Amino acid sequence: GAGVSQSPRYKVAKRGQDVALRCDPISGHVSLFWYQQALGQGPEFLTYFQNEAQLDKSGLPSDRFFAERPEGSVSTLKIQRTQQEDSAVYLCASSQNREGNLYEQYFGPGTRLTVT
Amino acid sequence: GQNIDQPTEMTATEGAIVQINCTYQTSGFNGLFWYQQHAGEAPTFLSYNVLDGLEEKGRFSSFLSRSKGYSYLLLKELQMKDSASYLCVATDSWGKLQFGAGTQVVVTP
Repeated sequence: GAGVSQSPRYKVAKRGQDVALRCDPISGHVSLFWYQQALGQGPEFLTYFQNEAQLDKSGLPSDRFFAERPEGSVSTLKIQRTQQEDSAVYLCASSQNREGNLYEQYFGPGTRLTVT
Repeated sequence: GQNIDQPTEMTATEGAIVQINCTYQTSGFNGLFWYQQHAGEAPTFLSYNVLDGLEEKGRFSSFLSRSKGYSYLLLKELQMKDSASYLCVATDSWGKLQFGAGTQVVVTP
């Protein structure tokens, strides 16, 4: 079946522009996670949804970052007034996870954002 | 604070065995994943330990000691395609993942 998909795969933005990154999780997966991965580093947690509820947004680096999952399926990560330090790969992952019942997370291919 | 430590790079020859050690100190610990990530690609799941002991899965094995905050990933019969970054990942009860920086394994002929 289809895996996690993300679009666009590559995005170049001028400093100050707003960007929107999309994630289509595996159908039926309850949990959805966003991560930011800088070059040569492991992914860093940004935010977590269980269905449409955003249960943890402690990893969002600033109030310029906003994520939503209004119908509990597709999610969008929006970055306003992009800065050069926002340049990274943004990974989305989904899992069947419910509290106390853990499943592996399946990752999408990522969106590579370059801010110039 | 929360911390996951693993070596930056390891080199081994084809057919050999390599062991990647990981120590962790995280809050709400509920289990330890290992993921493989090839350059420019998404991480893919290798193994998951929630109880102490060894989990074997083909050429890959993973070990966990919760009391010591320690895990290792053992790669046997190395192949060229095993050249990749290996990520040690701690998870809490919500499934939130905390990643180490990754160990780059270089397999030489």
